[in-house]
Amino acid sequence: EIVMTQSPATLSVSPGERATLSCRASQSVSSNLAWYQQKPGQAPRLLIYGTSLRATGIPARFSGSGSGTEFTLTISSLQSEDFVLYYCQHYNDWPQTFGQGTKVEI
Amino acid sequence: EVQLVQSGAEVKKPGESLKISCKGSGYNSFTTYWIGWVRQMPGKGLEWMGIIYPDDSDTIYSPSFQGQVTMSVDKSISTAYLQWSSLKASDTAMYYCARLAAASWSPLDYWGQGTLVTVSS
Repeated sequence: EIVMTQSPATLSVSPGERATLSCRASQSVSSNLAWYQQKPGQAPRLLIYGTSLRATGIPARFSGSGSGTEFTLTISSLQSEDFVLYYCQHYNDWPQTFGQGTKVEI
Repeated sequence: EVQLVQSGAEVKKPGESLKISCKGSGYNSFTTYWIGWVRQMPGKGLEWMGIIYPDDSDTIYSPSFQGQVTMSVDKSISTAYLQWSSLKASDTAMYYCARLAAASWSPLDYWGQGTLVTVSS
């Protein structure tokens, strides 16, 4: 099973600043990496897939990069609604495991 | 509009059985998109449980959930199911169904609203 490790667990930033979230895989997942956003009391929402492709309706301030085992989600200018939880997930093999999450807080 | 609508919250006792559902609509063919199940225990992260292909009921379980739950579908009513034969308190969690975007190696592009399962004596 591929283990996904996200860092940091909590990221403290101010509105308008840039946030950089990291995700590391225990072995290569090629570019088969997705990021999800979860707001309190809601289901997760797909943000990024294929490492860097934005899902339908996702604002351009969200971007993804990386390959192999190291991946990054960048939020270029944080809006109030962005201060929530983010998960990475690989889908390169089974089981398609998630990271433990990064909480972005003010 | 793609929608996955899950059945309502359940409160059960340990040892009881349970089957929750996930009905898909708004996309061309329910049978040709894999459906996945994800667990979220209270205050915890997301856990990938497994996936099922509605057309032929092919299933892939996470080793952590193999033998603990059963996934099934009724393609005549575009509905996927997750069931337990004997619930434990540790099964208390929110359970999400989600559609895989394309093949079995795909992200989860549409999610249900979740079904909260509470197991308590």
